[in-house]
Amino acid sequence: DQQVKQNSPSLSVQEGRISILNCDYTNSMFDYFLWYKKYPAEGPTFLISISSIKDKNEDGRFTVFLNKSAKHLSLHIVPSQPGDSAVYFCAAIGGQAGTALIFGKGTTLSVSS
Amino acid sequence: ETGVTQTPRHLVMGMTNKKSLKCEQHLGHNAMYWYKQSAKKPLELMFVYNFKEQTENNSVPSRFSPECPNSSHLFLHLHTLQPEDSALYLCASSQPPGIRWFGPGTRLTVT
Repeated sequence: DQQVKQNSPSLSVQEGRISILNCDYTNSMFDYFLWYKKYPAEGPTFLISISSIKDKNEDGRFTVFLNKSAKHLSLHIVPSQPGDSAVYFCAAIGGQAGTALIFGKGTTLSVSS
Repeated sequence: ETGVTQTPRHLVMGMTNKKSLKCEQHLGHNAMYWYKQSAKKPLELMFVYNFKEQTENNSVPSRFSPECPNSSHLFLHLHTLQPEDSALYLCASSQPPGIRWFGPGTRLTVT
């Protein structure tokens, strides 16, 4: 059973608008969450993270929101740019495993100009 | 060279071949990982090494054999693979417990 779920395989947004990528998790022991971005033929690159003691973390155009009661996090990109077109992976760490980083299946974002 | 590098970037091998994937990290991290990415699946953790010691083997078949001679290098030895093993193999490193820094991956095709 998947512990980290990204239920939308794809998202299309116009340049300049907001992109919202969603992620749900089932394991309440997760205490650290990360977003990775992946271009074709490249490895994932770290984008932004959030600890479970926070509900928001912002870095430039990227903001991650965490709702622990709903076991939900989201990544907001404002304004979206064509260069943001990539696959976005949500990942979580925590619990007794500690080192295990559990990934979602990814959401492909397409930003059109 | 900085970051995490992987060679080769592409590999085509027959089911009876033996080949090795190489990963090198220049970040001074103590943990290194092998991940597998198949189409339409999440990244799957295969192996974890902390301070050169294997600390996790995620039920990976024995036809995949990792080796970590030092904290900067990680190998994945492949033998008698199956076509379903065709995937993108990603190496990563970190200072535990957090952010994994990934290499570009090796695109493996087993014929």
